[in-house]
Amino acid sequence: DAGVTQSPTHLIKTRGQQVTLRCSPKSGHDTVSWYQQALGQGPQFIFQYYEEEERQRGNFPDRFSGHQFPNYSSELNVNALLLGDSALYLCASSLVGGRTEAFFGQGTRLTVV
Amino acid sequence: EDQVTQSPEALRLQEGESSSLNCSYTVSGLRGLFWYRQDPGKGPEFLFTLYSAGEEKEKERLKATLTKKESFLHITAPKPEDSATYLCAVQSAYSGAGSYQLTFGKGTKLSVIP
Repeated sequence: DAGVTQSPTHLIKTRGQQVTLRCSPKSGHDTVSWYQQALGQGPQFIFQYYEEEERQRGNFPDRFSGHQFPNYSSELNVNALLLGDSALYLCASSLVGGRTEAFFGQGTRLTVV
Repeated sequence: EDQVTQSPEALRLQEGESSSLNCSYTVSGLRGLFWYRQDPGKGPEFLFTLYSAGEEKEKERLKATLTKKESFLHITAPKPEDSATYLCAVQSAYSGAGSYQLTFGKGTKLSVIP
């Protein structure tokens, strides 16, 4: 079982650019959530995807968008990057219903310069 | 708004010196409380889920307990390899059907000195 995999592991972008991060969920999981973790902080919920639709969204601007594919994999897109978007972006997968553990990937470290 | 407060922010222990980490929470109906371990630059690693007050779970040197207002992560005779940041998170029962939105605390950074 490969667990949750994310790509790329590290990324450097320039302010104003756009970025796409990718996530493959753990085998058997159908729900993907994205989190942003700033240095020294706990992860903050961005949004969750199930059945290819955004089901719930945290307090993040519309610059953050996502997509889920029929194979349950997911993308996180961030437009018009700001310096404050520099963080570790985490993908978590789980089963719908929420009463199972959420497993996290190793994250993508995004640096905006 | 769901809130999670963890204390202390940092904890240094000698190898073998047992202690506890605290997680205080406010949530509109608790569906579950989760403990994760996170190593630097890595994603959180699942440790425990607790669902109701009075519940306890153990794994090796770790034991998690839950009351109606807080959870404790007890570490017995820690080893240097237990050094990590320990994160606590809650899931609200009112976060929507099928939702898996977790609200995290800032974590406790544990250092175990040989």
